[in-house]
Amino acid sequence: DTGVSQDPRHKITKRGQNVTFRCDPISEHNRLYWYRQTLGQGPEFLTYFQNEAQLEKSRLLSDRFSAERPKGSFSTLEIQRTEQGDSAMYLCASSPSHTYEQYFGPGTRLTVT
Amino acid sequence: KNEVEQSPQNLTAQEGEFITINCSYSVGISALHWLQQHPGGGIVSLFMLSSGKKKHGRLIATINIQEKHSSLHITASHPRDSAVYICAVAPRDDKIIFGKGTRLHILP
Repeated sequence: DTGVSQDPRHKITKRGQNVTFRCDPISEHNRLYWYRQTLGQGPEFLTYFQNEAQLEKSRLLSDRFSAERPKGSFSTLEIQRTEQGDSAMYLCASSPSHTYEQYFGPGTRLTVT
Repeated sequence: KNEVEQSPQNLTAQEGEFITINCSYSVGISALHWLQQHPGGGIVSLFMLSSGKKKHGRLIATINIQEKHSSLHITASHPRDSAVYICAVAPRDDKIIFGKGTRLHILP
């Protein structure tokens, strides 16, 4: 069991560029969550998937953000036209059905210069 | 007002001290998580509980559902316990709501 993995671990990009992050959940976990954590704050919910279906999106997820989970396994989070305010840690978590226990990945730290 | 409040926000203690971090929440929940986050950002789940008390090594977590309150205790604290400890609640709609965390620093 390799746990939840995220790639890349760190990303530095210039304002206006597009970035894409990947999350690989634990095998057999059909729920996958994306969170964002800014400096000094607790994580905030962005969106979640049950299998390939995106069931909920936070108001924090502007039109520049899109998430996919095409085959119900790994997920990608894309940010278009990045802004300095997008600088944060992006966390992914997965959970099996019928439990509220979530397993977190190591996160992707994004810095927009 | 935040739905999950933690106290204290920052805590510095000497090695060996007994540590208590508190979490109060205002929503109905199905479960409560205690998470640990080290510098570098990775989050580790310590406990998930919906009633009573759980113990793992030197860590103890308790919850009082009626009072909407949980505590995380660390016995015989050690510098390697230095981290941010986050309380998170799971309301009945799957989303987790996180507290802002308690930054713990244990001095050798």
